[in-house]
Amino acid sequence: EPEVTQTPSHQVTQMGQEVILRCVPISNHLYFYWYRQILGQKVEFLVSFYNNEISEKSEIFDDQFSVERPDGSNFTLKIRSTKLEDSAMYFCASRFLAGGPETQYFGPGTRLLVL
Amino acid sequence: AQSVTQPDIHITVSEGASLELRCNYSYGATPYLFWYVQSPGQGLQLLLKYFSGDTLVQGIKGFEAEFKRSQSSFNLRKPSVHWSDAAEYFCAVGPGGSQGNLIFGKGTKLSVKP
Repeated sequence: EPEVTQTPSHQVTQMGQEVILRCVPISNHLYFYWYRQILGQKVEFLVSFYNNEISEKSEIFDDQFSVERPDGSNFTLKIRSTKLEDSAMYFCASRFLAGGPETQYFGPGTRLLVL
Repeated sequence: AQSVTQPDIHITVSEGASLELRCNYSYGATPYLFWYVQSPGQGLQLLLKYFSGDTLVQGIKGFEAEFKRSQSSFNLRKPSVHWSDAAEYFCAVGPGGSQGNLIFGKGTKLSVKP
């Protein structure tokens, strides 16, 4: 069964450093998402991406964040200058269509720790 | 505001016992409702979803959930829990926006006693 993959599974970085989290969505999917979960809190929506541009973003997704689909398979989340509060589990998800109850498929997540 | 509440942070049940995980939501229209499960080191796997029709929906691994509009609830049930069901369970509602993002609850961690 096709699945969403994410790399790395864990990343430790120093405050102020840039990190890039990578995701490979399911190959025929068109809509891509990033979510994060700070320890003990809810899974929160960050951004959705379609047709090579951001289609929607939450208030969490400020100028420190960016997303890109650099080639036909990868979907990346970049944090330009990490803060302590960016420590969280980051999930990538994809789906074929945007509307309706169609399932979003999630990756296993990248656990980011900012020291 | 749209939100999902899972009132139980951690539940422990004995293997073979029945299970009910609670989920309440706040949403302006008729929502699409989902239950996801996350095992350690794994992604969020869809257990089941509801969007219309029969309010009792069946999912994978023997789980079911019932949509109760009057109570704004979508509780997850399983008649007999197996040790492999130990995981974290997330209730979600959508769409949270025009592009279908989901709004999640905080999750309920399920432990299973032998």
